[in-house]
Amino acid sequence: GAVVSQHPSRVICKSGTSVKIECRSLDFQATTMFWYRQFPKQSLMLMATSNEGSKATYEQGVEKDKFLINHASLTLSTLTVTSAHPEDSSFYICSAQTGYNEKLFFGSGTQLSVL
Amino acid sequence: QQQVKQSPQSLIVQKGGISIINCAYENTAFDYFPWYQQFPGKGPALLIAIRPDVSEKKEGRFTISFNKSAKQFSLHIMDSQPGDSATYFCAASRDRGSTLGRLYFGRGTQLTVWP
Repeated sequence: GAVVSQHPSRVICKSGTSVKIECRSLDFQATTMFWYRQFPKQSLMLMATSNEGSKATYEQGVEKDKFLINHASLTLSTLTVTSAHPEDSSFYICSAQTGYNEKLFFGSGTQLSVL
Repeated sequence: QQQVKQSPQSLIVQKGGISIINCAYENTAFDYFPWYQQFPGKGPALLIAIRPDVSEKKEGRFTISFNKSAKQFSLHIMDSQPGDSATYFCAASRDRGSTLGRLYFGRGTQLTVWP
């Protein structure tokens, strides 16, 4: 099946620093990618939708200046958590859609811990 | 507001038994209803999905039952095995081309299958 690679799998950073998370579709071109966050033992909450070459669409309540999303190519989307604070500590997961009305595949997630 | 409500929060089943997880949704525009399995520290993996034009879909030991009028759908896991112990999420989205991945997740069910 299609593979979505997410890197890093785990990152620890100091408060105030920025962290970049990469999401790559390894064997297909992703027309659309999605970013979610998940707190411990909680559900996945959609943060934003990104399409290659255009600005991301953020869900209500998600700070676009805090969570910068770049979808520079059909195989790569990045999420940058700017000026991270302890409350940003969470599990971040991306997913990629193979095409119009096509399948969706999830990455393995990134555990962010902000000290 | 929780767009998809899931129950129970936790479920303990004996090996060989049937695990049943229920979900309900409010938005009648939803037309894609997947179930995901998630192990600790991993991204969710698609188990099975259904669209409203059918009332039931079966894949191996997994069956989705869908009741459009009641706006409810459920996952049945037959012959439950210890390896099925994981967190299960139901979700819903509008399948309009690139919006398949704009998923709204239930809160999850922690399934434990004991030998």
